Amino acid sequence: DAKTTQPPSMDCAEGRAANLPCNHSTISGNEYVYWYRQIHSQGPQYIIHGLKNNETNEMASLIITEDRKSSTLILPHATLRDTAVYYCIVRVARSGGSQGNLIFGKGTKLSVKP
Amino acid sequence: NAGVTQTPKFQVLKTGQSMTLQCAQDMNHEYMSWYRQDPGMGLRLIHYSVGAGITDQGEVPNGYNVSRSTTEDFPLRLLSAAPSQTSVYFCASSYSALAAHGNEQFFGPGTRLTVL
Repeated sequence: DAKTTQPPSMDCAEGRAANLPCNHSTISGNEYVYWYRQIHSQGPQYIIHGLKNNETNEMASLIITEDRKSSTLILPHATLRDTAVYYCIVRVARSGGSQGNLIFGKGTKLSVKP
Repeated sequence: NAGVTQTPKFQVLKTGQSMTLQCAQDMNHEYMSWYRQDPGMGLRLIHYSVGAGITDQGEVPNGYNVSRSTTEDFPLRLLSAAPSQTSVYFCASSYSALAAHGNEQFFGPGTRLTVL
C-alpha cells in the first residue's frame, strides 16, 4: 500500500498558485518525499524531492512540515500544461532490498482551468 | 542522450502468445524498473534491477520475467500473454536505488499492450 494520502482531484485557475497537499503521517526519519507528475498518456516526470528542509527548483517548491507528517507541492503560476496527475511518494534513503523503490498511489488529478 | 527508450510503442497479442518489451537507457544508470498502469490506477512495480546481473520482484511479478545482462538494457518478457496483462507498461531508470539528492527516476514513453 502507498504510504501517502492525497486528495483525488483539485482545480486551479490558470496563473494562480496550485497547492497540492500530501499526508505521510507514518514517514520514517530516513525517508524522502518525492513528487512526480504524469501528463495524460505520458511517462511520469520527476518534479522535486526533499528530506527535511523546504526545496525549490525551476518547476516547483516543496514545503515539508516540521514534524514531516505532511507536505505541500506548490506550482507558483499554474498553466494549462500543468494539468496532470500528481503523485506524492515516500522513498527510503538506504541501499539493499526493495526499500528504494518508488511505490505509487493514485495521486491527485490537477485540472488547471482558463 | 536519448534517455529511456521503449519499444514497441503499441502491441496487440493473442492469449497465449509470448513477447518481449524492450527498454534501454544511455545514462549509465544502475537501477532500472518496470511498472504497469491500468486505467484509472497508479503505477504498480513489476520487477526491478539494482545492477547488471541482479533482478528482483516488485508488487505484481506473476506472468513476467526479466533479465539484466547489460547495464543499458532491461527487457520484460511475457511468456504466455493473458487478457489481464492488457495495460500500459513503463520502464524507468535512475543512478541508483538510493533516494539521494540528484537521484531521480527517469521514465520511458510507455508501451501500450492489448491482449485479446
